Amino acid sequence: AQTVTQSQPEMSVQEAETVTLSCTYDTSENNYYLFWYKQPPSRQMILVIRQEAYKQQNATENRFSVNFQKAAKSFSLKISDSQLGDTAMYFCARANAGGTSYGKLTFGQGTILTVHP
Amino acid sequence: ETGVTQSPTHLIKTRGQQVTLRCSSQSGHNTVSWYQQALGQGPQFIFQYYREEENGRGNFPPRFSGLQFPNYSSELNVNALELDDSALYLCASTSRTGANTGELFFGEGSRLTVL
Repeated sequence: AQTVTQSQPEMSVQEAETVTLSCTYDTSENNYYLFWYKQPPSRQMILVIRQEAYKQQNATENRFSVNFQKAAKSFSLKISDSQLGDTAMYFCARANAGGTSYGKLTFGQGTILTVHP
Repeated sequence: ETGVTQSPTHLIKTRGQQVTLRCSSQSGHNTVSWYQQALGQGPQFIFQYYREEENGRGNFPPRFSGLQFPNYSSELNVNALELDDSALYLCASTSRTGANTGELFFGEGSRLTVL
């Protein structure tokens, strides 16, 4: 089974500080996508950042960046300058690339992040 | 650009009943996926529809079925409801084109409670 594991059920951080969420995954594929999604209490899943496995450069989106270690099958999310609006459940997810794989994500169990003022 | 919309937002059923959940995909998207998210858990892939046909299924029994219509909207049907079917059901859409980035666009979900 191709699984995604998030070992931190809950994390907390002070506003303006930096926090890192961990994710590991298992796959036999060489090309795939990795994602971090955010699910606030409003329930709608929102994409935070994505990484294509064939790209060695780590993805960055404003305050969000990833540390992608392909050999170790590790994909952590770093949130810099944390804001109160970052409080949410964060999910790591993986999908094979191309063909009939579109739309078939495997999610981790999630990490509840709380940002304190 | 219209996002993914789902209905109803909340519903309560009793064990043994049947339920239909509806989803309108984001404009321009031709692929719809359904996910079940139990409380405090990550979403689990149920199945996906492309060109009105089921195209991949997760580990869910046949009483979970679906449809996709020519306008790419979709339905999820669950027969013989069980207590464990209580969950948030998420619909997500994407487009199978060369520019596809693998990203899914999610609706806000339908919260099903089975009593």
